[in-house]
Amino acid sequence: GIQVEQSPPDLILQEGANSTLRCNFSDSVNNLQWFHQNPWGQLINLFYIPSGTKQNGRLSATTVATERYSLLYISSSQTTDSGVYFCAVGYTGTASKLTFGTGTRLQVTL
Amino acid sequence: EPEVTQTPSHQVTQMGQEVILRCVPISNHLYFYWYRQILGQKVEFLVSFYNNEISEKSEIFDDQFSVERPDGSNFTLKIRSTKLEDSAMYFCASSEGYSSNYGYTFGSGTRLTVV
Repeated sequence: GIQVEQSPPDLILQEGANSTLRCNFSDSVNNLQWFHQNPWGQLINLFYIPSGTKQNGRLSATTVATERYSLLYISSSQTTDSGVYFCAVGYTGTASKLTFGTGTRLQVTL
Repeated sequence: EPEVTQTPSHQVTQMGQEVILRCVPISNHLYFYWYRQILGQKVEFLVSFYNNEISEKSEIFDDQFSVERPDGSNFTLKIRSTKLEDSAMYFCASSEGYSSNYGYTFGSGTRLTVV
C-alpha cells in the first residue's frame, strides 16, 4: 500500500517562531489533507489540498503532487498550535480510504 | 460550520461486552467512515459506507465489528465481545462525494476503554 512519511517526528518551538512540516508519499494521490490533533484528541481538518497552495491565517500548505510531497507552514506559532499534525492521503488504487502518516508532534513553549 | 457529532465522548466497558458507538454525519454527506487510533499511534482506516452498504473495509474490520445506518441521520459502529486491544479513540467521518476527490470531516471521537 501507499507509504506516508512525515518529518520531523518531533518539534519544539518557542512562541513566535516559524516552522515547516513535511509529508512525503509513495504514490500518486488525488486526496491530501492536513489535520491537527489537539491535546484532547480531536482531529481538526486544516486543509484539503491534493495540489497547489492554500492559506488560512497563520497556516499555509503546498502540495507538489508530481514530486509526491506536501508542506505545512506555521508562522508566528502560538502555544495553542501544540499537538500532533497528520498528513493523510487518498489515491486512485483505493478510492474510499485515507492513509495517515505517523504525524509530527509539535510543542510550542513560552 | 457543519459538524460530525459523535457520542459518547468516553466509554468504559468490561471485556466481553458489546458497545455501540454513534455518529451523526453532516446531513448532505453521502459517504461515511470509521477510523481508530490506538494511543500514541497513527490513525487507521476501519470501514467506509455508502448507499447502505460497506464499500471498503480494512483487515482490522473483522467479524467482531459491524456498521449500520439505522435511520436517516445516525451511523453506528458496533463492537461485539470487546477485547482489551480494542481500547482506542474511534473517529467517525463523512464526505460529500467520492472520497478521493472530496475532503473528509471528522468527528471529535469516542475514547473507548476496555477493562
